[in-house]
Amino acid sequence: EPEVTQTPSHQVTQMGQEVILRCVPISNHLYFYWYRQILGQKVEFLVSFYNNEISEKSEIFDDQFSVERPDGSNFTLKIRSTKLEDSAMYFCASSAPSDRFYNEQFFGPGTRLTVL
Amino acid sequence: QKEVEQNSGPLSVPEGAIASLNCTYSDRGSQSFFWYRQYSGKSPELIMSIYSNGDKEDGRFTAQLNKASQYVSLLIRDSQPSDSATYLCAVKGYSTLTFGKGTMLLVSP
Repeated sequence: EPEVTQTPSHQVTQMGQEVILRCVPISNHLYFYWYRQILGQKVEFLVSFYNNEISEKSEIFDDQFSVERPDGSNFTLKIRSTKLEDSAMYFCASSAPSDRFYNEQFFGPGTRLTVL
Repeated sequence: QKEVEQNSGPLSVPEGAIASLNCTYSDRGSQSFFWYRQYSGKSPELIMSIYSNGDKEDGRFTAQLNKASQYVSLLIRDSQPSDSATYLCAVKGYSTLTFGKGTMLLVSP
């Protein structure tokens, strides 16, 4: 069964450093998303991406964040200058090119980001 | 601000019982609703989606939607210890999912 994959599974970085989190969405999916979950808190939307551009972003997704689809398979989230409060699980999700209003989002295993 | 509310639990049920999980949402215009299961330290796993008022059954799971009351529920029949997890209710907006904090379910053998 096709699934979303993410690398690395765990990333430790120093405050102020740049990190890139990578995702390979399900192959025939066209809509891509990043969510994060701070330990003990709810899953929060960051950004959605379709047709090589951002569809929607949350207030969390400020100028330190960017997303890119550098090739036909990868989808990346870059955090330019990490802060302690960026420590969280980051989930990539994708959904199929069906009716956009109803489509189901499938999540990858996540990358645990720890900022020291 | 769109809100999705769930009782945090834990909801404890014995093996074989029916577990009932509830969710309310604030955006009356919402059309798509999802239940995800999340084991500790793992990612959300989609288990049910529902778009129309009424019931939708899939195996041991039944999702119920009442848009007039802005209420979604998930019933798990014949609960198993492996069902012990946090169940997340999610409501879809334009392209995003807004999640509740989740209800922890504990199924005792």
